[in-house]
Amino acid sequence: AQKITQTQPGMFVQEKEAVTLDCTYDTSDPSYGLFWYKQPSSGEMIFLIYQGSYDQQNATEGRYSLNFQKARKSANLVISASQLGDSAMYFCAMRTTDSWGKLQFGAGTQVVVTP
Amino acid sequence: EPEVTQTPSHQVTQMGQEVILRCVPISNHLYFYWYRQILGQKVEFLVSFYNNEISEKSEIFDDQFSVERPDGSNFTLKIRSTKLEDSAMYFCASSEARTQNTEAFFGQGTRLTVV
Repeated sequence: AQKITQTQPGMFVQEKEAVTLDCTYDTSDPSYGLFWYKQPSSGEMIFLIYQGSYDQQNATEGRYSLNFQKARKSANLVISASQLGDSAMYFCAMRTTDSWGKLQFGAGTQVVVTP
Repeated sequence: EPEVTQTPSHQVTQMGQEVILRCVPISNHLYFYWYRQILGQKVEFLVSFYNNEISEKSEIFDDQFSVERPDGSNFTLKIRSTKLEDSAMYFCASSEARTQNTEAFFGQGTRLTVV
């Protein structure tokens, strides 16, 4: 069975600092994709970044980067130069080839950026 | 940029009533999904839909739930007889393919409150 674990329920970070959100996963499927989504207080789910299991390099997307350690089965999200607008819930999710494209989500990490 | 649209944004219904949540997926997408997020909890998969039939469903998706694509654009989730525990945010998502590297685009959600 696949599983996604986010162990940090909440984090405070100061504006302009970097923050790392942890995500570990468990799957026996050698081919999978890892996604991070942001959910602000308004409720919508915003796609941030994607990492494929066969990707050789860590994904980056603007201020978001993914620290992908395949052997450890971790895919931590790094947000650099935090902004007040980054305050939100962040979800790690996984998609494998043995299902019809469904995403399995972690419990999420609430990030609060302080001035 | 194309987006997934959900209506209504908020629905309040009495216990035992039927509700229909509506979604317009992105037009060239083939795979459609419903997810649910009970307040403060993680996002849970309900059902995936492809080629006019359910391709996978979770154990949450019991006989009270049904999905339909009544025309070429809408994708609906019906709850036949709502219970208090159905109160949640319901997200529709769509994707071009079901491969692990394909992003799923989410709608802004419908907040369902059962009273």
